[in-house]
Amino acid sequence: KQEVTQIPAALSVPEGENLVLNCSFTDSAIYNLQWFRQDPGKGLTSLLLIQSSQREQTSGRLNASLDKSSGRSTLYIAASQPGDSATYLCVSRGYQKVTFGIGTKLQVIP
Amino acid sequence: NAGVTQTPKFQVLKTGQSMTLQCAQDMNHNSMYWYRQDPGMGLRLIYYSASEGTTDKGEVPNGYNVSRLNKREFSLRLESAAPSQTSVYFCASTLTGANSPLHFGNGTRLTVT
Repeated sequence: KQEVTQIPAALSVPEGENLVLNCSFTDSAIYNLQWFRQDPGKGLTSLLLIQSSQREQTSGRLNASLDKSSGRSTLYIAASQPGDSATYLCVSRGYQKVTFGIGTKLQVIP
Repeated sequence: NAGVTQTPKFQVLKTGQSMTLQCAQDMNHNSMYWYRQDPGMGLRLIYYSASEGTTDKGEVPNGYNVSRLNKREFSLRLESAAPSQTSVYFCASTLTGANSPLHFGNGTRLTVT
């Protein structure tokens, strides 16, 4: 059974700092890994998707990496802003199977 | 672009009442999912539908039924609501295959008193 763990559960950083969110998974037989952000009381917004054959994906200030052999993915946020404050979810997808992490709650302090 | 649309956004039920949560997507996706999200537990799969005409149980199916009405629509029904079903419900959809991302609706916040 796939398990997805996100560390830390919560993170508070000053504005402008670069930061890394971590995601680990137990079953490396995944199709892809997707990062979402969720604002309080809102739905999930997709940030990046990394296919199993890829090592990383970039979108603006965000960079996600994938290392299947070690069962790890990271989400790097450069020059953090208060608007980045949200919960970030890591989701692994295998055949007919989608597994969610509980998320990392990020607070960027102005 | 509508994406995944869920209705209603909010609902309050009394114990024993029934209701149906609606979900529709306009992206021609074949796979659709219903999740519930509870504090500290992440998202848990209730039911999913890999294609029109098929449905399968997920992790927490008890107390729920689903209908894949057509390719666009996937509804979730609570026949006799219980306080334990107070939660936020999300519908998601995707294409079967490695390269397709999951798309989520904005959720339905359900309270059962």
